[in-house]
Amino acid sequence: DSGVTQTPKHLITATGQRVTLRCSPRSGDLSVYWYQQSLDQGLQFLIQYYNGEERAKGNILERFSAQQFPDLHSELNLSSLELGDSALYFCASSVAPGSGGELFFGEGSRLTVL
Amino acid sequence: GQQLNQSPQSMFIQEGEDVSMNCTSSSIFNTWLWYKQDPGEGPVLLIALYKAGELTSNGRLTAQFGITRKDSFLNISASIPSDVGIYFCAGSPQGGSEKLVFGKGTKLTVNP
Repeated sequence: DSGVTQTPKHLITATGQRVTLRCSPRSGDLSVYWYQQSLDQGLQFLIQYYNGEERAKGNILERFSAQQFPDLHSELNLSSLELGDSALYFCASSVAPGSGGELFFGEGSRLTVL
Repeated sequence: GQQLNQSPQSMFIQEGEDVSMNCTSSSIFNTWLWYKQDPGEGPVLLIALYKAGELTSNGRLTAQFGITRKDSFLNISASIPSDVGIYFCAGSPQGGSEKLVFGKGTKLTVNP
């Protein structure tokens, strides 16, 4: 158990819909990262937050947005969903951004868009 | 964008055999990491490398950070059935955990 909690574990929805994925980081970790894992693209970095502020952005689509709340939990919002958005979405956390690359990953949220 | 080329894509080995996998990049990374992902789980960090030329072991696992900072390898000695999973290399151009770039993984199958 990494200590990172993600909900929901599975989500099935239709094209055009909007979903919200939630992540609670490990106790004491200030930095939260979102990754998308698909079969053909592997693990792709989406976005990083540190202590409530956006820290780094990766290949995140404009239809996607995220935020980190004062209690440090984070939400990833995916809107106008397309079939290609079906993937595993991982949240990871670390103590601080420069913490040696040791990210602790949650078990992921599997999104299926039909 | 930056990419990591990880090989082989998959390996089928017998229990007790040694395994070697590697990762290369066309650009420099200041941190190299190796993660393992079990089915239904998120990746778990195995080894982190911070200096060019560094060789680090973690039990039966050994990893090296290439001198050019553009490659890394992971060796697993005397494989056991629980080594089954997907192994990912990851690199950070800035160092630390910022904007980690992941390879596409090496799927390892160990036959008892």
